[in-house]
Amino acid sequence: EAQVTQNPRYLITVTGKKLTVTCSQNMNHEYMSWYRQDPGLGLRQIYYSMNVEVTDKGDVPEGYKVSRKEKRNFPLILESPSPNQTSLYFCASSKGTDSNQPQHFGDGTRLSIL
Amino acid sequence: AQSVAQPEDQVNVAEGNPLTVKCTYSVSGNPYLFWYVQYPNRGLQFLLKYITGDNLVKGSYGFEAEFNKSQTSFHLKKPSALVSDSALYFCAVKPGSARQLTFGSGTQLTVLP
Repeated sequence: EAQVTQNPRYLITVTGKKLTVTCSQNMNHEYMSWYRQDPGLGLRQIYYSMNVEVTDKGDVPEGYKVSRKEKRNFPLILESPSPNQTSLYFCASSKGTDSNQPQHFGDGTRLSIL
Repeated sequence: AQSVAQPEDQVNVAEGNPLTVKCTYSVSGNPYLFWYVQYPNRGLQFLLKYITGDNLVKGSYGFEAEFNKSQTSFHLKKPSALVSDSALYFCAVKPGSARQLTFGSGTQLTVLP
């Protein structure tokens, strides 16, 4: 089954404790992206990647890191999480090297930073 | 910079009635427009897109959207709503040359039995 898998689905942690949210897709997609969803703000893009070893900042990249060492994986790293990063996070992937194609989304990761 | 507005946070409609979820956009050049739907505790699912061609676009689950260039709108429509259509709907836009989608704030659709 074609899918985007995020882990963990839920995480409660404390300020300053490094964490990683993993994202994996099995569709051989070139384009991958991370979004955060906050009430009233819709989805805002954090980082995106057009292919292996190619990443770029989205609209809200501060406090986040990403890497794209393999085509299927695109982890999101919070090196020193803060409470304003409490949010619902989505990973997405699509064919091609831009976002013209429909994006496939994971089921989300709800992060709470205390 | 591109932007998209969904002017209604909430839309309520009776089952069997037609529904409309509104979206207006601002973008330089020709827009690529998308609608996505989000069910509780799930990621977004693609409904339909407009790239070029016919202004009326048909998508999944009986939904359609009409591209109106003069009004810079891309409203989502369905002739007869189902209770199962109740969900959060997002409009998204990008200029043809851009690599990023910009999403609206979302509209919660509730279909009442």
